[in-house]
Amino acid sequence: AQSVTQLGSHVSVSEGALVLLRCNYSSSVPPYLFWYVQYPNQGLQLLLKYTSAATLVKGINGFEAEFKKSETSFHLTKPSAHMSDAAEYFCAVTPWGGADGLTFGKGTHLIIQP
Amino acid sequence: EAEVAQSPRYKITEKSQAVAFWCDPISGHATLYWYRQILGQGPELLVQFQDESVVDDSQLPKDRFSAERLKGVDSTLKIQPAELGDSAMYLCASSSGQPSGYTQYFGPGTRLTVL
Repeated sequence: AQSVTQLGSHVSVSEGALVLLRCNYSSSVPPYLFWYVQYPNQGLQLLLKYTSAATLVKGINGFEAEFKKSETSFHLTKPSAHMSDAAEYFCAVTPWGGADGLTFGKGTHLIIQP
Repeated sequence: EAEVAQSPRYKITEKSQAVAFWCDPISGHATLYWYRQILGQGPELLVQFQDESVVDDSQLPKDRFSAERLKGVDSTLKIQPAELGDSAMYLCASSSGQPSGYTQYFGPGTRLTVL
């Protein structure tokens, strides 16, 4: 069994400030972890993924995430927020190998203040 | 860049009616997934296909939902009869299934409203 907890349903930051979106997972086997972004009335776009290689993963649009096994975390960060980053962000987990369906968190709505 | 296609993008129906959604995965992707996303929540897996075979349909409400992928390419998800609680975004995703290619790529979704 696996699950994902995203702390904070809404996160608000100022433009240019650090973005930190939190994700903790529970998995009985080594996981693959993903962050997706969703804009209104659209599908999900992959930001980055962890598949047991480097623990610090760089993705698109300046985002990165660090896999910390001891903390069962996979937090998403971006050094400087841009207005275009305003969207819904989902963390997801699947067992190692990646063939199974994804288990998603409830999502975090990122608000960028001008 | 290849994309997952879904149609229709929006569907409004009355309860007890039948609805169907179509998905065309990225060419060559053997694995296809259907997810349901209720407003304000994360997507939940409904069914997973490997080629034309169902791999996982444990969360599919089989009394009213059905899914098929007859030739192992495109897929159809059907609801009959639709209920008010079925209002949601229905997302299709595909992956190549290769060792380095288990990333799931999502289509734009079909937003269903049941009145």
